[in-house]
Amino acid sequence: RKEVEQDPGPFNVPEGATVAFNCTYSNSASQSFFWYRQDCRKEPKLLMSVYSSGNEDGRFTAQLNRASQYISLLIRDSKLSDSATYLCVTGGFKTIFGAGTRLFVKA
Amino acid sequence: DVKVTQSSRYLVKRTGEKVFLECVQDMDHENMFWYRQDPGLGLRLIYFSYDVKMKEKGDIPEGYSVSREKKERFSLILESASTNQTSMYLCASSLNGEAFFGQGTRLTVV
Repeated sequence: RKEVEQDPGPFNVPEGATVAFNCTYSNSASQSFFWYRQDCRKEPKLLMSVYSSGNEDGRFTAQLNRASQYISLLIRDSKLSDSATYLCVTGGFKTIFGAGTRLFVKA
Repeated sequence: DVKVTQSSRYLVKRTGEKVFLECVQDMDHENMFWYRQDPGLGLRLIYFSYDVKMKEKGDIPEGYSVSREKKERFSLILESASTNQTSMYLCASSLNGEAFFGQGTRLTVV
């Protein structure tokens, strides 16, 4: 079993839609959690950290459920520029990436 | 800003060659990582290091080795390159779990 598992993609949504990505992790010792965004042929870049209390950054909301070992990312009012691959990440002794979920936002 | 620099953007090597991929970070981070990324497989951890001269195997260490002689530099070595090692290689350093990536090296083994 992979340490970090994500929703299989791709997600194809129209502009303005709300889309949710889910992720589960197996290592209960994981200490920090993140969502990264990766554009085609570019390196991943931090989108946002994830906290148990939930955190929001504009149209993006991330949530962590430690009991269920589950992380989520919600994107509201999708824009064409949101098209990318979204990677769920756990940190601790080592940093582990999920395989990523492709999002295509269409006009 | 954190800067992670990989020595080459593109590299073409022959089967059986010894290949060195170099990575340097300028933020005094303890942890450094090497990943490879292939379509449909995402980022897979090859090796990581949490201190000078310390290394740990990741999920796919076979065919690779690493060297961390100085804190800022983490090298990935392909002892005898094979065609199945054709991939995008990404180096990262991290602080408190947050990873900062280099621009990647696209390696082609022919």
